[in-house]
Amino acid sequence: DQQVKQNSPSLSVQEGRISILNCDYTNSMFDYFLWYKKYPAEGPTFLISISSIKDKNEDGRFTVFLNKSAKHLSLHIVPSQPGDSAVYFCAASERGSQGNLIFGKGTKLSVKP
Amino acid sequence: GAGVSQSPSNKVTEKGKDVELRCDPISGHTALYWYRQSLGQGLEFLIYFQGNSAPDKSGLPSDRFSAERTGGSVSTLTIQRTQQEDSAVYLCASSSQLTSSGTDTQYFGPGTRLTVL
Repeated sequence: DQQVKQNSPSLSVQEGRISILNCDYTNSMFDYFLWYKKYPAEGPTFLISISSIKDKNEDGRFTVFLNKSAKHLSLHIVPSQPGDSAVYFCAASERGSQGNLIFGKGTKLSVKP
Repeated sequence: GAGVSQSPSNKVTEKGKDVELRCDPISGHTALYWYRQSLGQGLEFLIYFQGNSAPDKSGLPSDRFSAERTGGSVSTLTIQRTQQEDSAVYLCASSSQLTSSGTDTQYFGPGTRLTVL
């Protein structure tokens, strides 16, 4: 059973608009959440993270929101750029684990000029 | 090196053969992780090393899979008697240290694409 779910396999957005990628989780022991970005034939690249003690973390054009009661997090990209086109993975780490990450299946974002 | 490197980048093998995948982590990183990504799936955790030690091997899919790390650096993932369901991209990641929350960023290599015919 998937502990981290990304229900949208793909998302298409116009350049300059906001991209919103969603992620749901089931394990209440998760205390750290991350977003990774992956281009074809490359490994995932860390993008942004959030601890469960926060509900928002912002880094430039990227903001991650965490709603613990709903077990939901989202990544906002504003403004979206064509270079943002990639597969975005949501990942989580469980309190007391040794850092191994549980990943969602990914959402493919296409930003059109 | 500057980043995590993996070799080979692609491996095609016949069912029943053994394969060995190699990972060179970022210099000085004590923690090393192996994941795999099957077609249409997310990344699946396999095993981690703290130094040369792998305290938990329960993530390995079967006893045909084994991994080792020597000198606190290079790691190899070995798959014996490969099966078609082993076909996937095998990714290695390293981080500077293990923490209880995994808050140290994991840096991924480009992966090895394994195809078992």
